[in-house]
Amino acid sequence: RKEVEQDPGPFNVPEGATVAFNCTYSNSASQSFFWYRQDCRKEPKLLMSVYSSGNEDGRFTAQLNRASQYISLLIRDSKLSDSATYLCVVENSGGSNYKLTFGKGTLLTVNP
Amino acid sequence: AAGVIQSPRHLIKEKRETATLKCYPIPRHDTVYWYQQGPGQDPQFLISFYEKMQSDKGSIPDRFSAQQFSDYHSELNMSSLELGDSALYFCASSLAPGYTYEQYFGPGTRLTVT
Repeated sequence: RKEVEQDPGPFNVPEGATVAFNCTYSNSASQSFFWYRQDCRKEPKLLMSVYSSGNEDGRFTAQLNRASQYISLLIRDSKLSDSATYLCVVENSGGSNYKLTFGKGTLLTVNP
Repeated sequence: AAGVIQSPRHLIKEKRETATLKCYPIPRHDTVYWYQQGPGQDPQFLISFYEKMQSDKGSIPDRFSAQQFSDYHSELNMSSLELGDSALYFCASSLAPGYTYEQYFGPGTRLTVT
């Protein structure tokens, strides 16, 4: 099983739509979870950190289910500018092991 | 706000040459991470440093080495370059592990090996 698995996508949605991305992780010891977005040929940018049961930031809502080792990202009222690749990212805890493990990413295209 | 700085932004090298990539973390960040992202791939962790000591090692080839200096900047040294080393190399920085795991990425160095 891969360490971090995401919906393969791609997702093509109209402006104003609600879209949800799902992600599962294999390391039950992981403590920190993130969603990054990455535009073509650019660096990953931190979108949201998910530290507890979930959190909301404007149109974005992230949920974490530790029992199921599942993370989700919900985007409401999609904008054209939301078009990007969304990366589910898990921090692998344990000793000095603080590296991030990325999912393969899900490409979102928001159409006018 | 100040961000992670990487230099150079673009680098073209021939096979078997060497390359040095530099990373300047966000001020007050004492932890640096290096990632490699091949075409169409997700970023892969290479190596990290905390307080100038190597803190973790990922899929970094033996041909590569890295260090963190007293001013917390880091350099990734790559020798005997191969065509497969062509990729985007990102540096990320964070505050001390345990305080936060939020990593902020620099714009990357695009390395092309011909």
